[in-house]
Amino acid sequence: AQTVTQSQPEMSVQEAETVTLSCTYDTSESNYYLFWYKQPPSRQMILVIRQEAYKQQNATENRFSVNFQKAAKSFSLKISDSQLGDTAMYFCAFMKPNSGNTPLVFGKGTRLSVIA
Amino acid sequence: DTAVSQTPKYLVTQMGNDKSIKCEQNLGHDTMYWYKQDSKKFLKIMFSYNNKELIINETVPNRFSPKSPDKAHLNLHINSLELGDSAVYFCASSPSSVLSYEQYFGPGTRLTVT
Repeated sequence: AQTVTQSQPEMSVQEAETVTLSCTYDTSESNYYLFWYKQPPSRQMILVIRQEAYKQQNATENRFSVNFQKAAKSFSLKISDSQLGDTAMYFCAFMKPNSGNTPLVFGKGTRLSVIA
Repeated sequence: DTAVSQTPKYLVTQMGNDKSIKCEQNLGHDTMYWYKQDSKKFLKIMFSYNNKELIINETVPNRFSPKSPDKAHLNLHINSLELGDSAVYFCASSPSSVLSYEQYFGPGTRLTVT
């Protein structure tokens, strides 16, 4: 079974600074997908960024980028120019591809606070 | 306009009652899921359905019974509610394609059992 570990329960960052959230996972699969989801106080789950394991290039979405290290099974999220609206729980998630209908396996989350 | 909707958003009930949560998606997706988020914010899969058929049933008490009348709807019925059932329940949907696999989540239903 796959497991996802987020070792930082809480983090804080000053507005406009950069922060990196850590995620490691365990799998015997060679192909899979990785995700970062954001859950603000509204509790809506929002997809931040995705990475396919077969792609060597790290995914980027505006101020969000990942450092995907397949051999180390590491998938960290970097948030640049942090904004107050980035305050949220962040979940790392793993999905094994199987015709696109396999569930997500989540880490326990990191609570990020952006301080003005 | 909402992609994945859930009703109700909040549900407060007493132990022993039976309640249902409804989920609808208008994305044309084939697969739908129920996830449970506990008080420590941990999210875990409960069920998944593909084209109205149950695909995954994690170790969930049989007091929980999902029902999918059509591929756009997945409801969750809970019998004999217990205090430990208090949680946020998320519905999600995704297309059945390895080319398009993103899961879209509903707004969640906060269930409080007193």
